[in-house]
Amino acid sequence: NAGVTQTPKFRVLKTGQSMTLLCAQDMNHEYMYWYRQDPGMGLRLIHYSVGEGTTAKGEVPDGYNVSRLKKQNFLLGLESAAPSQTSVYFCASSFGLFEETQYFGPGTRLLVL
Amino acid sequence: DAKTTQPPSMDCAEGRAANLPCNHSTISGNEYVYWYRQIHSQGPQYIIHGLKNNETNEMASLIITEDRKSSTLILPHATLRDTAVYYCIVSINNDMRFGAGTRLTVKP
Repeated sequence: NAGVTQTPKFRVLKTGQSMTLLCAQDMNHEYMYWYRQDPGMGLRLIHYSVGEGTTAKGEVPDGYNVSRLKKQNFLLGLESAAPSQTSVYFCASSFGLFEETQYFGPGTRLLVL
Repeated sequence: DAKTTQPPSMDCAEGRAANLPCNHSTISGNEYVYWYRQIHSQGPQYIIHGLKNNETNEMASLIITEDRKSSTLILPHATLRDTAVYYCIVSINNDMRFGAGTRLTVKP
C-alpha cells in the first residue's frame, strides 16, 4: 500500500496562475481532507469530503475549490493564486469522520510569487 | 482557536520518559483527545487517542485526568528519532484543530 500520496511535491506559481493539487489514497477511506500549514503554525483545515461526490468547507476555505469525483482521489484547486497561499499543503484520509485516525500524505510545498 | 494549550517547547534526555502536557479545559463530554506528531515537516503521524480512560499502545501512553480538562502524553523511553512537534487535539464541532504544538527535543 502506498497510503496517501500527493502530487506535485513542490511548485512555484506566479500570482494569478491556477493549479490543481492531487491527493490519492489506496486504503478505501471514505473521508479525505486538505490542510495547509504556514511556518511555525499548526495545520488548518481547508476543505474535507465525506464520500465520493461530496465536499464541505473547513476552517479556511476561501480561495480554494475541491472535487471528489472518485473515492480514492481528492483534488484541491487554486483558481487565481495569491502570495498568501504560499504554504505547505497536506492531504489526509480516514475511515471515520475526524474522530478516527487520519493518515497524512508527505505534503506539497507551494510558493506563490 | 485550537482549544488546547501546550508548552511551546520541551527537552528530554535520550532513554528517559518524555511527559508532554496538554490543557483542554473546555472539552465536551463526547470529544476525544488525539495526539499526533510531525517530524521535520513531514506529514503528521497519529500517535494515540482517548476519551476517558488511560490508553497505551506501542508508541506511547495517554493519561487523561478524571475531569478530562487535561492530559499527558508519555513516551516511555525517548530516542533521538522522537524529536518532533507534538500536537494535542480535541475535535470541535466535527473538525480537528491543530494548534502550534510542543516542540520536543530529545538530547543525547
